[in-house]
Amino acid sequence: EVQLLESGGGLVQPGGSLRLSCAASGFTFSTDAMSWVRQAPGKGLEWVSAISGTGGSTYYADSVKGRFTISRDNSKNTLYLQMNSLRAEDTAIYYCAKFRAPQLRGGFDYWGQGTLVTVSS
Amino acid sequence: ETTLTQSPAFMSATPGDKVNISCKASQDIDDDMNWYQQKPGEAAIFIIQEATTLVPGIPPRFSGSGYGTDFILTINNIESEDAAYYFCLQHDNFPWTFGQGTKVEIK
Repeated sequence: EVQLLESGGGLVQPGGSLRLSCAASGFTFSTDAMSWVRQAPGKGLEWVSAISGTGGSTYYADSVKGRFTISRDNSKNTLYLQMNSLRAEDTAIYYCAKFRAPQLRGGFDYWGQGTLVTVSS
Repeated sequence: ETTLTQSPAFMSATPGDKVNISCKASQDIDDDMNWYQQKPGEAAIFIIQEATTLVPGIPPRFSGSGYGTDFILTINNIESEDAAYYFCLQHDNFPWTFGQGTKVEIK
């Protein structure tokens, strides 16, 4: 059974940093591309970042480019999102999601339950 | 960027009803549309792939239709357990984008 378990959310001040983790199990983590998606309060979902299975290719939404860094440790079956220079508009539930197919194709087939990030003074 | 316009934002249904949720794309995305169901505090569940294909294990009362720019998720004979938030995702082009979601309430 595929499981994705996010952690690391919390309250942080504007300009601060936070690192999210997503522990994966139930599939061959190193072969599957992964992604972070977020949902701000009362808003729809927004794709944030994606990474290939090897970690060699990364992709970012314009809204987080230069501030967020996605990475993965395939030896630990864990996905990360380093978030720097956080803004109030980054407040959201952050989900990790697994791509259905190689080369980041097909959309997502599995999601985690999410971790809440609140940026506020 | 492809904008997905999903409607309605909220709907209330009675058990046994047929429910339709629409997702309109701002450009042609072929059949590169997925649908998901999410209940509060739970992980989203993948229910429809490539616009019309039911994901294995999903009850057959769920179905999807459409191609190009107009897509519909249909729930036939809706049940109380179908109360959830439903959203669409286009995976035709980068960046991947989502509809605004539909909250379905069962009376």
